Amino acid sequence: AQSVTQLGSHVSVSEGALVLLRCNYSSSVPPYLFWYVQYPNQGLQLLLKYTTGATLVKGINGFEAEFKKSETSFHLTKPSAHMSDAAEYFCAVSGGSNYKLTFGKGTLLTVNP
Amino acid sequence: DADVTQTPRNRITKTGKRIMLECSQTKGHDRMYWYRQDPGLGLQLIYYSFDVKDINKGEISDGYSVSRQAQAKFSLSLESAIPNQTALYFCATSDAGTGNTGELFFGEGSRLTVL
Repeated sequence: AQSVTQLGSHVSVSEGALVLLRCNYSSSVPPYLFWYVQYPNQGLQLLLKYTTGATLVKGINGFEAEFKKSETSFHLTKPSAHMSDAAEYFCAVSGGSNYKLTFGKGTLLTVNP
Repeated sequence: DADVTQTPRNRITKTGKRIMLECSQTKGHDRMYWYRQDPGLGLQLIYYSFDVKDINKGEISDGYSVSRQAQAKFSLSLESAIPNQTALYFCATSDAGTGNTGELFFGEGSRLTVL
């Protein structure tokens, strides 16, 4: 069984400020972890993923996330928010032989000028 | 052209009507999925198919059916639509090849409104 908890359904930051979106997971097997982004009126696109190896992974648009096994976390960060980062962000986990993704409920990021 | 194409993109229908949402893909992936998105609930898996002869129920399959017509085509049907099926529906694909991680590739979504 696997699950994802995203802390905070809505995060608001100022332009230029640090972005931190929190994700905790549960998985009975070593997980693969993903962050997806959904811009208004669009589908989801992959931001970054952790499979094996280096625990700090870099994605598109300056985002990165760190896999911390001891904390069962995969938080998403960006040092300096841009207006174009305003979107909904979904954390997801897969594991096991069926490779089905389980999604969190999403975090809506608002960037204020 | 998009790798994963959904039709229609928007549909308004009435309670009791039969509706079909279609999905086609050019990625050559074996695995296809239908998800439903509701505000504040994230994405919930309706059905998934690992190949043409393999169909599986997801978390919320009641009231829905699917058909995998070919490797590239996977359609979702609502036999008798009801208002609480108003939602944004996504088709997705993934690669079943060696080393795959379950990463999904999404279509643009089909917004369904049931009056």
